[in-house]
Amino acid sequence: GQQVMQIPQYQHVQEGEDFTTYCNSSTTLSNIQWYKQRPGGHPVFLIQLVKSGEVKKQKRLTFQFGEAKKNSSLHITATQTTDVGTYFCAGPADAGNMLTFGGGTRLMVKP
Amino acid sequence: DGGITQSPKYLFRKEGQNVTLSCEQNLNHDAMYWYRQDPGQGLRLIYYSQIVNDFQKGDIAEGYSVSREKKESFPLTVTSAQKNPTAFYLCASSISDNYEQYFGPGTRLTVT
Repeated sequence: GQQVMQIPQYQHVQEGEDFTTYCNSSTTLSNIQWYKQRPGGHPVFLIQLVKSGEVKKQKRLTFQFGEAKKNSSLHITATQTTDVGTYFCAGPADAGNMLTFGGGTRLMVKP
Repeated sequence: DGGITQSPKYLFRKEGQNVTLSCEQNLNHDAMYWYRQDPGQGLRLIYYSQIVNDFQKGDIAEGYSVSREKKESFPLTVTSAQKNPTAFYLCASSISDNYEQYFGPGTRLTVT
């Protein structure tokens, strides 16, 4: 079945440093979604990418969808302590399929 | 105030007992989902429902059961057949499958 892998599993950064998490799917995705889960909280939807090669920005966050629609990345510029949490990517193999979540990347920021 | 609610936030049960977790949404979403999350892990799909009176097994359905008698409600029963029930359970809903999912606050179940 479809597998969605994320690396790294954990990342410690100093406040102000950049951070990137990578998402790779074993199958082509019709879209990729990103979620953030704060410690002790629940996942919150951040963004959805649909087009091959698409790039979207939300303030300091930059999301990319690969040309082959099998990988994606989330880049945070100049991390802040409010960025702490686990970032999940998720995607359906085809339109109509259920989402498969990656294992997540846990970001820790040292002030 | 629209949203998705789960109750209770914390639940403690003795081994061998069935327990039902509540999930209610007033977002008028057709699709609802149940996920299990273990410490430091990702989300694993237990069951999902795309429409009232219909539901399908996810990746880890064994030891769980659900019902979808109303659009707003999708309760999950953790049965005594579930070998390791202690976990964080998250309910979610979406307009339809393949769309962004809205998650409830979750229920932390501890079985001893």
